[in-house]
Amino acid sequence: AQSVTQLGSHVSVSEGALVLLRCNYSSSVPPYLFWYVQYPNQGLQLLLKYTTGATLVKGINGFEAEFKKSETSFHLTKPSAHMSDAAEYFCAVSGASGGSYIPTFGRGTSLIVHP
Amino acid sequence: KAGVTQTPRYLIKTRGQQVTLSCSPISGHRSVSWYQQTPGQGLQFLFEYFSETQRNKGNFPGRFSGRQFSNSRSEMNVSTLELGDSALYLCASSKTSGGPRDTQYFGPGTRLTVL
Repeated sequence: AQSVTQLGSHVSVSEGALVLLRCNYSSSVPPYLFWYVQYPNQGLQLLLKYTTGATLVKGINGFEAEFKKSETSFHLTKPSAHMSDAAEYFCAVSGASGGSYIPTFGRGTSLIVHP
Repeated sequence: KAGVTQTPRYLIKTRGQQVTLSCSPISGHRSVSWYQQTPGQGLQFLFEYFSETQRNKGNFPGRFSGRQFSNSRSEMNVSTLELGDSALYLCASSKTSGGPRDTQYFGPGTRLTVL
């Protein structure tokens, strides 16, 4: 069984400030972890993913996330927020279970960026 | 390369009717997955097709069905619509069904409203 908890349904930051979106997961098998972004009236776009190897993962648009097994976390960060980062962000986990890699998504965090 | 396309983008139906949604994957992609997104339940996996075969199925009633054609295009059907079926239905394609190393690309979704 696997699950994802995203802390905070809304996060508000000022333009230029640090962005931190929190994600904790639960998985009975080695996890694969993902962050997606969704802009209004659009589908999901993959920001970054962790499969194996280096625990600090760099993605698109200046985002990165660190896999911390001991904390079962995969928080998303960006040093300096832009207005264009305002969107819904989803954390997801999947893992090999019976040969299936069906992802489980968190409930999402809405990032609000103030000028 | 064209992205994942979904038709129609918006759909209004009444209770008891049935609906068919279409998804055209990225050229060369053989796997298509469907998801339902609602404010109450978030993103939930419906099913995955690979080479015309359903490989995985989520926890949805039998009213939800799908199929995939030889050109990898996929359709999903919902019969006897209920108010709770109102949602954004997202389709995602990937090259293979080989797990999380294979990135999923999402379409813009079909917004279904059931009155």
